[in-house]
Amino acid sequence: KNQVEQSPQSLIILEGKNCTLQCNYTVSPFSNLRWYKQDTGRGPVSLTIMTFSENTKSNGRYTATLDADTKQSSLHITASQLSDSASYICVVSANSGNTPLVFGKGTRLSVIA
Amino acid sequence: NAGVTQTPKFQVLKTGQSMTLQCAQDMNHEYMSWYRQDPGMGLRLIHYSVGAGITDQGEVPNGYNVSRSTTEDFPLRLLSAAPSQTSVYFCASSNVVTAMPGELFFGEGSRLTVL
Repeated sequence: KNQVEQSPQSLIILEGKNCTLQCNYTVSPFSNLRWYKQDTGRGPVSLTIMTFSENTKSNGRYTATLDADTKQSSLHITASQLSDSASYICVVSANSGNTPLVFGKGTRLSVIA
Repeated sequence: NAGVTQTPKFQVLKTGQSMTLQCAQDMNHEYMSWYRQDPGMGLRLIHYSVGAGITDQGEVPNGYNVSRSTTEDFPLRLLSAAPSQTSVYFCASSNVVTAMPGELFFGEGSRLTVL
């Protein structure tokens, strides 16, 4: 069964600290993986996309990694800011099937001063 | 460029009432979809469409109807609301790359409470 598991479920860090969010998937055949950021009361917004051949991709203070062999991705946030407080959702695209997008349940990040 | 617009933002219904959640996009995207988001459950696909006149069921379609008469609009209808349909609903659109959706652009959500 295609699944996406995210950890931790929630995380609290001090402003200025770094953190890493994890995403493990069993989606096959794999097409790509996206990380979305969802602010409270808003819709999710795409942060980055990882394809099979990409290992690392950065978007400002956000760096995503992908290990296609172990089917794991991580999202690293550097020098966190209060505005990073949000839910981060990992979404994996399958290359076939009726439901090509498989969503993780998200990690709720709280950055405190 | 408004992106994806959902209305209403908030709605309270009584059990058995009907209503339609509206979704419109101005990006000429072929793919449109409706999700519900419940605490601890993540986003779950209700219905989707890959073009005008084409709709299909997602993971949790029961109790919901959709239609796609134009590229821009994709309304979600609740014919007889039930308390289990209390949720936050998101509409999302995307370019279709082969048969797979690309980046999803989400609306701001519609919070529905069924009493």
